[in-house]
Amino acid sequence: AQSVTQLGSHVSVSEGALVLLRCNYSSSVPPYLFWYVQYPNQGLQLLLKYTSAATLVKGINGFEAEFKKSETSFHLTKPSAHMSDAAEYFCAVSYSSASKIIFGSGTRLSIRP
Amino acid sequence: KAGVTQTPRYLIKTRGQQVTLSCSPISGHRSVSWYQQTPGQGLQFLFEYFSETQRNKGNFPGRFSGRQFSNSRSEMNVSTLELGDSALYLCASSLATDRVNTGELFFGEGSRLTVL
Repeated sequence: AQSVTQLGSHVSVSEGALVLLRCNYSSSVPPYLFWYVQYPNQGLQLLLKYTSAATLVKGINGFEAEFKKSETSFHLTKPSAHMSDAAEYFCAVSYSSASKIIFGSGTRLSIRP
Repeated sequence: KAGVTQTPRYLIKTRGQQVTLSCSPISGHRSVSWYQQTPGQGLQFLFEYFSETQRNKGNFPGRFSGRQFSNSRSEMNVSTLELGDSALYLCASSLATDRVNTGELFFGEGSRLTVL
């Protein structure tokens, strides 16, 4: 079955520190992978997406993610956290054989001053 | 360009009632997906409509239904409401092709349903 697993429901980092949010997918076929962010009382917005063009994907707000087929991972990183990055982050997957996008359980990112 | 609009934003119902939520996608988007978001279950896929046809369905009971109109606007209906149906219902539209939906989802702000 298509799925994504996000390790850690809550991650807390200091302002200026590295942000690393983990995502693993289960698939035997090439996936399309996404990271979305949700700020309080808002819908989700796309941070970045992987569609096989390049393994390192750069997104908005300084975030990037690397697709590693051998590890079935698509971890999200940002070199230096900012207070405005506090939000919930969702990893998502879809496949060329399907028309639905499946989301992980989400990781809440907190930023300490 | 207007974003995805969901109405109503907030509503309160009692057990046994039914509710209809509306979603207007971005102009030109033919695919509309619905998700249920709860603290315990996260984002659960309900269904996706493309050109007035339900193309995919999640694992929800038959009390949850939807439809899409010729202008791509979509509605979802929940009948015989249960306490567990309290959630944020998110609608998302996309420029899906006839076969696949591998593109970006544009989300509305959601309809927050409380069932008492």
